[in-house]
Amino acid sequence: AQSVTQLDSHVSVSEGTPVLLRCNYSSSYSPSLFWYVQHPNKGLQLLLKYTSAATLVKGINGFEAEFKKSETSFHLTKPSAHMSDAAEYFCVVSGAGGATNKLIFGTGTLLAVQP
Amino acid sequence: NAGVTQTPKFRILKIGQSMTLQCAQDMNHNYMYWYRQDPGMGLKLIYYSVGAGITDKGEVPNGYNVSRSTTEDFPLRLELAAPSQTSVYFCASSLPGSDGYTFGSGTRLTVV
Repeated sequence: AQSVTQLDSHVSVSEGTPVLLRCNYSSSYSPSLFWYVQHPNKGLQLLLKYTSAATLVKGINGFEAEFKKSETSFHLTKPSAHMSDAAEYFCVVSGAGGATNKLIFGTGTLLAVQP
Repeated sequence: NAGVTQTPKFRILKIGQSMTLQCAQDMNHNYMYWYRQDPGMGLKLIYYSVGAGITDKGEVPNGYNVSRSTTEDFPLRLELAAPSQTSVYFCASSLPGSDGYTFGSGTRLTVV
C-alpha cells in the first residue's frame, strides 16, 4: 500500500532564507509523487509532480523537489522564502496502480515565514 | 474557465438534518472525487467516480452517499448529519491516466 509521511507538522523560516519541507514515501509500485499547497481558506494548488522522468522536479513559485529512491524521500525546497509562501503544504502519492488516480495525502506541513 | 465549482461555501447543520454538497466541473473530466479535510489529518477520500453511473467507496465513506448521473456533476449527500462530519469538503476531478487533480474551493460544514 502507498503512504506518505511528512516529517514536520510546522516549519518556521525567516523571509529570504531557504525552505526545506520533508516527505518520505512508501510504495509497492514506482510511485507518482506530488506537492500541493493550500493557502488559508483556499483550495489546493499543484506545486509540482514527479512521474518517473527527471528526479529533480521544478515547480511553480521557485519550488523544487528531488526524488531519491534510495532514501524513499521527496523533499520540497526553495532557495529563498517569501512572505507569500506561508501556507500548508501536502506531500501526496498516487494510489495503487490502476485507472482510478486516487491520491493519498500526507498530514501536511504548515509553513510560517517571519519578516 | 470555471474548473470545479462547489456549493455552498459554508453551511451549518443541526444534528440529524440532511443536505447535499454540490460539485460540478466543466472540463469533461471522467474522474471525480470527494475528500474531507480535518486539522492535522490531511485529506481523506470519501467517494470517487470514474464515469457517469459508476461510483465507489474511498477510505471514509460511512455517513455519506454519492451519485453520478452526468459527467459534469458529482453531488455528495449527508443523510443524518453528525458532529463527526464537521469538516471541510473538497471535490476534485481529473482525466484518466492524468495524475493532476483540479480541486474546488471547498465547502466548510459545521454540524451542531
